[in-house]
Amino acid sequence: GAVVSQHPSWVICKSGTSVKIECRSLDFQATTMFWYRQFPKQSLMLMATSNEGSKATYEQGVEKDKFLINHASLTLSTLTVTSAHPEDSSFYICSARADRDEQFFGPGTRLTVL
Amino acid sequence: DAKTTQPTSMDCAEGRAANLPCNHSTISGNEYVYWYRQIHSQGPQYIIHGLKNNETNEMASLIITEDRKSSTLILPHATLRDTAVYYCIVQRDTGKLIFGQGTTLQVKP
Repeated sequence: GAVVSQHPSWVICKSGTSVKIECRSLDFQATTMFWYRQFPKQSLMLMATSNEGSKATYEQGVEKDKFLINHASLTLSTLTVTSAHPEDSSFYICSARADRDEQFFGPGTRLTVL
Repeated sequence: DAKTTQPTSMDCAEGRAANLPCNHSTISGNEYVYWYRQIHSQGPQYIIHGLKNNETNEMASLIITEDRKSSTLILPHATLRDTAVYYCIVQRDTGKLIFGQGTTLQVKP
């Protein structure tokens, strides 16, 4: 299957700082990328959908000013958690999709906010 | 998107077939059935998907009932590495995947 990478795989930051997470499709062009969040012992929760060159569409209850998403190219999307707080600590996972194909997921980024 | 119902957990003996059921009684005609699995602390892995017909690939088989209200994922020869949470998801072609709680499959030696 297609490969999606995320960087970093884990990050620890201080409360109030911003953290950027990168998601890359390595061997295909992703017209759409998705961002999910997963808390311990819970399922994945879709945060937003992003199409290359356009603004992301956020799910209900997700603050777009706090979770900034940029999808500047067909192989890269970034999620920036602004002014992070301990409650933002979570496992963030991206996925990428080419046209009508299935989604391929990245390995996830573990964010810990102190 | 249609909701799905899966058993919370299942056990399977190593080497035997694992049959994971999923109910999706409110599925619409243009909605696909997708199966993903997630091994602890990793991103989900695509397994298989289908619309109406049964599907098979190198990982698994997907059996969809004629009325499309339920489906079964079959892992023909389960190994210890197949221990994971398995998600059955019904989605339109928009690409959005709404994850439920899934089935925790424990493959035992």
